[in-house]
Amino acid sequence: AQSVTQLGSHVSVSEGALVLLRCNYSSSVPPYLFWYVQYPNQGLQLLLKYTSAATLVKGINGFEAEFKKSETSFHLTKPSAHMSDAAEYFCAVSVDGGSQGNLIFGKGTKLSVKP
Amino acid sequence: SQTIHQWPATLVQPVGSPLSLECTVEGTSNPNLYWYRQAAGRGLQLLFYSVGIGQISSEVPQNLSASRPQDRQFILSSKKLLLSDSGFYLCAWSVRGANVLTFGAGSRLTVL
Repeated sequence: AQSVTQLGSHVSVSEGALVLLRCNYSSSVPPYLFWYVQYPNQGLQLLLKYTSAATLVKGINGFEAEFKKSETSFHLTKPSAHMSDAAEYFCAVSVDGGSQGNLIFGKGTKLSVKP
Repeated sequence: SQTIHQWPATLVQPVGSPLSLECTVEGTSNPNLYWYRQAAGRGLQLLFYSVGIGQISSEVPQNLSASRPQDRQFILSSKKLLLSDSGFYLCAWSVRGANVLTFGAGSRLTVL
């Protein structure tokens, strides 16, 4: 069965510092992996997705994630945090190998950015 | 372009009352439609998904139900709400056969 674990429910960084949000997955099939961002009282917005084409995936707003099969990880990074990056971030894995939008989400990591 | 609408945005209901949340998608045909629930500290949980009119798959047993009376309309209902039904309900759609979800703005339900 597929599952996702996000390490750290809350991460705080200073503006301009590196952002690293951790995600580990478990999947019985080659996974499709996603990162979504949620701003307060809004729906989720897709940041990026991994579909086996390339292990380093670039997304919107300067974020990227690297798929590491040996570590079963898909950590999200951004070289320099901006105040506008403050939000909650969700890692997700596709349930059935990717043909539908049935996703299993992690519990989320709330990112705070200090001035 | 495609848009997704959810309403109401906020709802406060007493225990035992009925519920109806609506979701509509514009600008696309034959979408897959989804209802997710987000409870505090528990991430998102898939409740229902639909691949066509009248076709509903339930992921979690509960006192909620879903219906798809039209191609681009998805309704979440309950006959009698429980306190545990409180949460943030998100409707989403995807292109048939694809796995990228586009979410609505959500409906916040508080059951008192």
